[in-house]
Amino acid sequence: DVKVTQSSRYLVKRTGEKVFLECVQDMDHENMFWYRQDPGLGLRLIYFSYDVKMKEKGDIPEGYSVSREKKERFSLILESASTNQTSMYLCASSPQGAGYGYTFGSGTRLTVV
Amino acid sequence: AQSVTQLGSHVSVSEGALVLLRCNYSSSVPPYLFWYVQYPNQGLQLLLKYTTGATLVKGINGFEAEFKKSETSFHLTKPSAHMSDAAEYFCAFNTGGFKTIFGAGTRLFVKA
Repeated sequence: DVKVTQSSRYLVKRTGEKVFLECVQDMDHENMFWYRQDPGLGLRLIYFSYDVKMKEKGDIPEGYSVSREKKERFSLILESASTNQTSMYLCASSPQGAGYGYTFGSGTRLTVV
Repeated sequence: AQSVTQLGSHVSVSEGALVLLRCNYSSSVPPYLFWYVQYPNQGLQLLLKYTTGATLVKGINGFEAEFKKSETSFHLTKPSAHMSDAAEYFCAFNTGGFKTIFGAGTRLFVKA
């Protein structure tokens, strides 16, 4: 069964900490994405990557960075966590091409205190 | 601007009744259209998609959706609701680039 695996289901961090969220896919997909999901706001794209070492800003990149050193792994970094980054974070991957749809991970619920 | 609108943040149906979740999109180019389902504390799962060809598409769990270009709609239906269908449903579209635009979601409640 193909999978997108996010390293943590629940995470609690303190304000100002550097936070790493990891995502690994086993489908050899070219594209990988990070979204955050908040009630009433749906899914908002933070960053995406279409190839190793390539990254593009999404709609809400402020306060985040990403890393893609290997094809299967896409990391989201909160440089200095703040309480307004408390959210559900979803990683997704897809093959090259717009018509395939995404495979999502189970999500990481991050709480910043 | 490109956007997708899901009518109704909450929909409630009785078990065995028709499920109808509405989705309208705004795009100047032909879109690829998707419906996803999200169960509590899980990620999203692809239910069905429209790319080209037949405008009525069938997905998993008995759901189907019809692409109506003239109405810019892609409504999701299921003839008979089951308790296990209770979840949040997201409509989404892509016009050929890297970014997929998601609707705000519709939470489906199924009453016994």
